[in-house]
Amino acid sequence: AQSVTQPDIHITVSEGASLELRCNYSYGATPYLFWYVQSPGQGLQLLLKYFSGDTLVQGIKGFEAEFKRSQSSFNLRKPSVHWSDAAEYFCAVGARGSNYQLIWGAGTKLIIKP
Amino acid sequence: DAGVIQSPRHEVTEMGQEVTLRCKPISGHNSLFWYRQTMMRGLELLIYFNNNVPIDDSGMPEDRFSAKMPNASFSTLKIQPSEPRDSAVYFCASSPRVGLAGGPPEQFFGPGTRLTVL
Repeated sequence: AQSVTQPDIHITVSEGASLELRCNYSYGATPYLFWYVQSPGQGLQLLLKYFSGDTLVQGIKGFEAEFKRSQSSFNLRKPSVHWSDAAEYFCAVGARGSNYQLIWGAGTKLIIKP
Repeated sequence: DAGVIQSPRHEVTEMGQEVTLRCKPISGHNSLFWYRQTMMRGLELLIYFNNNVPIDDSGMPEDRFSAKMPNASFSTLKIQPSEPRDSAVYFCASSPRVGLAGGPPEQFFGPGTRLTVL
């Protein structure tokens, strides 16, 4: 069965520091991979997605993620965080052949220290 | 584009009352999703519609929950009777018919309805 694990419930980083949020998935083939962000009181917004091709994908707001098949990972990174990046981040996996089903991670809450 | 519109944004009700949550998807989108988000259970898919037809309602917790999509621009999620454990944020999301390379398309989320059942 497909599953998504975000091992960190909370992460605290200083403003201006680099960020890496972890996402591991379990799936028998190459999945479709997504990162969404949820700002306080808001719905989820797509940051980036990976379907195929270049394993390093660029997203909005200066985020990027790298698909590593050997590690079953799709970690989200940003070189320098801003206070406005404080939010909850969700990794999701979609199955090939499915036109709707996404398996969601539990989310990682990012806290920014001034 | 106004995005996905949900109403009300906040709802406080008493146990046993009927609650109706409303959603207007993005025009032209073919799929609509209702999710529930709680601290304990995270984000749960309740039901998925494609072209106004319910495709998968396996996430609907029990018979007290029902969802309808009478046309392409409107959907409701109803809880009757409501219970305190239904307190959560309920999201509606919509997506176009297909995504790139045949995979799941991007889902566009509304701002959510925060439901509190006393």
